Amino acid sequence: EPEVTQTPSHQVTQMGQEVILRCVPISNHLYFYWYRQILGQKVEFLVSFYNNEISEKSEIFDDQFSVERPDGSNFTLKIRSTKLEDSAMYFCASSGLGQQEKQYFGPGTRLTVT
Amino acid sequence: AQKITQTQPGMFVQEKEAVTLDCTYDTSDQSYGLFWYKQPSSGEMIFLIYQGSYDEQNATEGRYSLNFQKARKSTNLVISASQLGDSAMYFCAMREARSNTGNQFYFGTGTSLTVIP
Repeated sequence: EPEVTQTPSHQVTQMGQEVILRCVPISNHLYFYWYRQILGQKVEFLVSFYNNEISEKSEIFDDQFSVERPDGSNFTLKIRSTKLEDSAMYFCASSGLGQQEKQYFGPGTRLTVT
Repeated sequence: AQKITQTQPGMFVQEKEAVTLDCTYDTSDQSYGLFWYKQPSSGEMIFLIYQGSYDEQNATEGRYSLNFQKARKSTNLVISASQLGDSAMYFCAMREARSNTGNQFYFGTGTSLTVIP
């Protein structure tokens, strides 16, 4: 079964550094999402992306965050200047046309900001 | 107010029994979607089932079904014939459309289900 992949599985970075989290959605999917989950807490929606642009974003997704689909397969989340409170598990998800509601999640990238 | 409320932080169920996980939601929208996800200890998020606000029938997917009560704003997940592999964290979520930012997704705090052999 096709799956969403994410790299790296764990990223450690120093406060103030930029990080890029990478995702490869399922190949024929058209809708892409980023979520985060701070350890032990609930999942929080960050952003959704369709047709090469952001379609929705939450209040968390401020100017420090950006997303990009640089080629036909990757979908990236960039955090420009990381803060300690950015430490979390970041999940990428994708869904297909006509099955938008069924989001397939990747395994996540654990980001640790020190 | 919380958009999604899951009042059961932990639940236990005997193997092969059915279990109901509660979820209530808060929205003033007429059109919204409700989801359930499973998160095993390995950490991945697995989509289980979806119910649209206009769906008249309760959603079912295999052993998973929803008890959707729109007037009460509840969407409880029923897992029938529990299996040991069902032990996991279960999250209820809602898609709500906002006029200025489009669809927003809200998750509950989760219910930890343990299936006892």
